[in-house]
Amino acid sequence: DVKVTQSSRYLVKRTGEKVFLECVQDMDHENMFWYRQDPGLGLRLIYFSYDVKMKEKGDIPEGYSVSREKKERFSLILESASTNQTSMYLCASRDPWDIQYFGAGTRLSVL
Amino acid sequence: AQSVTQLGSHVSVSEGALVLLRCNYSSSVPPYLFWYVQYPNQGLQLLLKYTSAATLVKGINGFEAEFKKSETSFHLTKPSAHMSDAAEYFCAVSENTGNQFYFGTGTSLTVIP
Repeated sequence: DVKVTQSSRYLVKRTGEKVFLECVQDMDHENMFWYRQDPGLGLRLIYFSYDVKMKEKGDIPEGYSVSREKKERFSLILESASTNQTSMYLCASRDPWDIQYFGAGTRLSVL
Repeated sequence: AQSVTQLGSHVSVSEGALVLLRCNYSSSVPPYLFWYVQYPNQGLQLLLKYTSAATLVKGINGFEAEFKKSETSFHLTKPSAHMSDAAEYFCAVSENTGNQFYFGTGTSLTVIP
């Protein structure tokens, strides 16, 4: 069974902290994605990666960076968390038939 | 860039009634089209996918969607709503090339007993 695991379901951080959100997939997929989900805005793409060490900016990359050192792991980094980054973060990986598989999400609160 | 419009951010139906969730996309070339469902406190999971093999696509849990090129629509239907269908539904589009997916803003479905 396909599995995308996000390391934390809930996180509370303070303004200015460096935050790491981790995502692991066990399907050997090349493509992985980070989205944020906000009420009324749907899912917005932050970054995606199409191979190890390869990344591309999505629609809202400002304030975020990513790391993909191994194929199965894709990390989202908030260099200096701000209150407007309070959101639900969803990680996904994509199979060769264009289907995305999502993790359960990380709900981040920045105080 | 593509855009996806879901009409109605909230839809309420009675148990046993028809479910109709609307999705329109902007594209001159038929893209790949998807419906995803998100249950409370969970990630998204695929309901169904259109890839030009057939205009009527059947998905899981009794849902189906019809691709209408002339209307650039991909509406989701289910003949008889069940309480367990209460969730948020997202329409998504991907281009045949490239890695970008474009999601609609979602429709929250409430099923009234």
